Amino acid sequence: AQSVAQPEDQVNVAEGNPLTVKCTYSVSGNPYLFWYVQYPNRGLQFLLKYITGDNLVKGSYGFEAEFNKSQTSFHLKKPSALVSDSALYFCAVRLPLYAGNNRKLIWGLGTSLAVNP
Amino acid sequence: DVKVTQSSRYLVKRTGEKVFLECVQDMDHENMFWYRQDPGLGLRLIYFSYDVKMKEKGDIPEGYSVSREKKERFSLILESASTNQTSMYLCASSLGRRFRQNQPQHFGDGTRLSIL
Repeated sequence: AQSVAQPEDQVNVAEGNPLTVKCTYSVSGNPYLFWYVQYPNRGLQFLLKYITGDNLVKGSYGFEAEFNKSQTSFHLKKPSALVSDSALYFCAVRLPLYAGNNRKLIWGLGTSLAVNP
Repeated sequence: DVKVTQSSRYLVKRTGEKVFLECVQDMDHENMFWYRQDPGLGLRLIYFSYDVKMKEKGDIPEGYSVSREKKERFSLILESASTNQTSMYLCASSLGRRFRQNQPQHFGDGTRLSIL
């Protein structure tokens, strides 16, 4: 079955330290990969996406993500965490159209990031 | 910026009531989605629509229906509300098929629905 895993329910990091939020996927073909962030009592906001090309993708708020095809991973990273980065982070995968798939995203369950001052 | 507006932030209804959740987007997006979000379960897709009057079932459509009479508006209907439909409901929209489906979804701020 096609799936997305975020192996950590929670990540804690000190302000100023680098952060990583992990995402691995199990899908056939070459998927499109997305990261979203959800601040308390808000909807999700798009951070970045990987479609094709350079494996390192840069996005909003200083975040970046590295696509690794051999490890089927798409980890979210930031060199220096801020307290304001504390939020819920979701990884999502869309299957490519040539596979006959529809417009749905396959979502991870989310990782809660806490950045401590 | 894309604006997705959900009509209510908080809503309290009673068991058995028919409940309408409204969503409007202002960017002429073809695709619109309804999700529910529950702790430990992430986002689950209820229904989506890729054109006016078109709809497709998501992963958990039971107990829900949708309506899309105009491109900018997508309504979620709880036919007879039950307590297990207490949840956060999120609406989203995205550009459609001519963009090869690699466009992100844009979300509203959600409606927290309580069924008593």
